[in-house]
Amino acid sequence: AQKVTQAQTEISVVEKEDVTLDCVYETRDTTYYLFWYKQPPSGELVFLIRRNSFDEQNEISGRYSWNFQKSTSSFNFTITASQVVDSAVYFCALSEARTGNQFYFGTGTSLTVIP
Amino acid sequence: KAGVTQTPRYLIKTRGQQVTLSCSPISGHRSVSWYQQTPGQGLQFLFEYFSETQRNKGNFPGRFSGRQFSNSRSEMNVSTLELGDSALYLCASSIQVNTEAFFGQGTRLTVV
Repeated sequence: AQKVTQAQTEISVVEKEDVTLDCVYETRDTTYYLFWYKQPPSGELVFLIRRNSFDEQNEISGRYSWNFQKSTSSFNFTITASQVVDSAVYFCALSEARTGNQFYFGTGTSLTVIP
Repeated sequence: KAGVTQTPRYLIKTRGQQVTLSCSPISGHRSVSWYQQTPGQGLQFLFEYFSETQRNKGNFPGRFSGRQFSNSRSEMNVSTLELGDSALYLCASSIQVNTEAFFGQGTRLTVV
C-alpha cells in the first residue's frame, strides 16, 4: 500500500496566485516524521521542512506554509504569491521511527508557474 | 560547508556490466541512504548505512549492494546491469537517525 499519496500530478498557476499541494500519508506508527522536498530540473532534492508526529503546529516560512492535520492524515503545502522560480516537482515524504532514515516518497506534484 | 557529493554525474554502461557509484556525505553526517528514481516507479529506497552498518534495505534484488567506509563515504554497486536499472541514483546524508536528509545531485545511469 502506498504510504504517501500526492493526488495532484501536475498543477499550473499564473504568477502571484496561491497554490496548495496536497499530501496524505498512512502509517501505524505513533512516532513518525513528515517532509517536503523540492526537485528542480537539476535533479537535486532540496529539503524544505520536517515535522514530527507530535507537533501539529502549522508553520510559515516566508511565502511557504504547511498545514499538518493528524485527524485527516494530511500534510499540505501552500505557496503564497507564487513565482516562476517555484516551478519544480515537489515531493512529500514519510519516515517512521522504527525504520530510521528510510523515506517513503509520494509520486510528486509537478508545479508550473506561468509568468 | 560542502553538500553531498556524488560521482560520477553521468554513466553509460552496457547490459551485463557492473557499476560502482560513490557518495561523500556532508561532514559530520553518519547516515547515508541511497534511492533510485525512475519515471515509472518514482523514488524508491535502496538502503541506509549508519556508522558502517547497513540499517535498512529496500525491496531490490541482491544485484544491488552497498557499503560505508569509516569516513562515512559510501559506495553502491550494481552487478549484471539490466536495461531497467537505468535511473537517477540519489544519495542522501543525515546527521542522525530520524532527521532531515540532504541529497546530492545524483548519478544518472543509462544502461544500453
